[in-house]
Amino acid sequence: DADVTQTPRNRITKTGKRIMLECSQTKGHDRMYWYRQDPGLGLRLIYYSFDVKDINKGEISDGYSVSRQAQAKFSLSLESAIPNQTALYFCATGQGNQPQHFGDGTRLSIL
Amino acid sequence: QKEVEQNSGPLSVPEGAIASLNCTYSDRVSQSFFWYRQYSGKSPELIMSIYSNGDKEDGRFTAQLNKASQYVSLLIRDSQPSDSATYLCAGETNAGKSTFGDGTTLTVKP
Repeated sequence: DADVTQTPRNRITKTGKRIMLECSQTKGHDRMYWYRQDPGLGLRLIYYSFDVKDINKGEISDGYSVSRQAQAKFSLSLESAIPNQTALYFCATGQGNQPQHFGDGTRLSIL
Repeated sequence: QKEVEQNSGPLSVPEGAIASLNCTYSDRVSQSFFWYRQYSGKSPELIMSIYSNGDKEDGRFTAQLNKASQYVSLLIRDSQPSDSATYLCAGETNAGKSTFGDGTTLTVKP
């Protein structure tokens, strides 16, 4: 089983719909992150959490919200999806100053 | 100013050559540094971590960190077609989160 699991892997939806992307991990890491990646661009941080009671905005948090339900679970919501949120989304985990471990990504298309 | 900037690509080298990837970072980035490899449509995977000044070698890969010049690089020796990918430079900020460059796409031609 993957250490960092994202669901769904692919999603096509319509403008205005509410969408939740889920991430779970078995690595026991305290830190969890949500990124989006657009074609030809690097990773942009949406939200991050250093523990269950800690949620922080990243560089592009507008239009997104998150919930850290447990140490192992971190979900990302788009309350009212818009086409420019079409992207590849990655969840990652980390611990201290160690490198991050990424899930396989969710490809999201908003029509 | 971006916290981490990578040299513009794409980069193309012949098989067997040395590929050199470079990255500079701002004052807000001062801790650990990482190089990730990302194949198209896949998730980033760690290639190298480097935490202190100097060189760190792992097989065909060498990472170099120069904190005085705020510069980190990745050298790939004996480049193979399977090395063709996008390479992401990342650094940990003073706030404890990683920040990524936009990536450099490397193509190794047989």
